[in-house]
Amino acid sequence: AQSVSQHNHHVILSEAASLELGCNYSYGGTVNLFWYVQYPGQHLQLLLKYFSGDPLVKGIKGFEAEFIKSKFSFNLRKPSVQWSDTAEYFCAVNENFGNEKLTFGTGTRLTIIP
Amino acid sequence: DTAVSQTPKYLVTQMGNDKSIKCEQNLGHDTMYWYKQDSKKFLKIMFSYNNKELIINETVPNRFSPKSPDKAHLNLHINSLELGDSAVYFCASSQVAEQYFGPGTRLTVT
Repeated sequence: AQSVSQHNHHVILSEAASLELGCNYSYGGTVNLFWYVQYPGQHLQLLLKYFSGDPLVKGIKGFEAEFIKSKFSFNLRKPSVQWSDTAEYFCAVNENFGNEKLTFGTGTRLTIIP
Repeated sequence: DTAVSQTPKYLVTQMGNDKSIKCEQNLGHDTMYWYKQDSKKFLKIMFSYNNKELIINETVPNRFSPKSPDKAHLNLHINSLELGDSAVYFCASSQVAEQYFGPGTRLTVT
């Protein structure tokens, strides 16, 4: 079965620091990859997605992620974080076309200190 | 306009009761989902419907019964509520692979 690992459970950074959140998945076939963000008390919003093509994808709010197929990874990055980036970040993978089940990682809580 | 809406936003009820959560999407999507987010923020899919037909059922207790009267609605009915059902329940919809989530319903069973 598909699984998604996010090894960083809680990350604390100061404003303007650079961010990288890890995501690894277990499925060896073709996948779609996503990062979602959940601000406190809110619903999940899509940050960015990878379906095919350029493995470096850019999303909203200055976030980007790189798909490295050989490492089964899709790490999220941002060069300079802001206090408003404080949120829970979820990596998700969809392995089957036509069966759009998303498997989520356990999430990474990001706390930005002003 | 809200793309995916859920009612109620909060639901507090006692063990043994039966309750329903409603979900509606105005995006014209064919597929809708229910996810459960536990107290540790872990998100797990429960059900998925495509054009009113059940396509995913992730070994959820049969106390949970989804109902899709049309492709814009997917309701979740829960019988005989238990303490362990306390969670945030998210509805989502999609047309291709990207899923859009509703605001969530926080269910507290006392």
